[in-house]
Amino acid sequence: DVKVTQSSRYLVKRTGEKVFLECVQDMDHENMFWYRQDPGLGLRLIYFSYDVKMKEKGDIPEGYSVSREKKERFSLILESASTNQTSMYLCASSPVEGTDTQYFGPGTRLTVL
Amino acid sequence: RKEVEQDPGPFNVPEGATVAFNCTYSNSASQSFFWYRQDCRKEPKLLMSVYSSGNEDGRFTAQLNRASQYISLLIRDSKLSDSATYLCVVNRDNYGQNFVFGPGTRLSVLP
Repeated sequence: DVKVTQSSRYLVKRTGEKVFLECVQDMDHENMFWYRQDPGLGLRLIYFSYDVKMKEKGDIPEGYSVSREKKERFSLILESASTNQTSMYLCASSPVEGTDTQYFGPGTRLTVL
Repeated sequence: RKEVEQDPGPFNVPEGATVAFNCTYSNSASQSFFWYRQDCRKEPKLLMSVYSSGNEDGRFTAQLNRASQYISLLIRDSKLSDSATYLCVVNRDNYGQNFVFGPGTRLSVLP
């Protein structure tokens, strides 16, 4: 069974803090993704990675960066958190071949005060 | 205009009812299509892929009309456990996965 885990379910930070959200998958998937989900807007792609040390911007990368030093781990970094980054953050992974399915982690609800 | 649009609902239906969800997408180059299901406070999970010929999985039927850029999901004989938000998902990319998610349609099946 595919397992995608995220470091925290709930996180509260202050404006200007540096925030790290960690995602780990145990299925040796090449592809990993970070989304944010907001009411009425659906999931929006922030960054994705098709391989170790590789990253590509999604639709809303501003204010975020990512790191993929190991295949199983994909980190999302908010360099200086702002209140408009309060959201649900979802990580997903998928294999390169065999399926288009993305497997999601449980999400991190981040509140920036 | 959003790239993927859905009726947000909520759809409140009695058990046993048939309910249909619609989805439209604006990018005619979109390559593959899916329905995901998201339970309250949970992560999205794949419900089914949508093929050009239409496909069925038990009580669920998905249809794709590329000419109209329209996707549908039909649920027959609704169960209480079908209550969830249904997300229409479009892959823009031919070689990778560049998914665009619709905002979702919320379904409540009532006893």
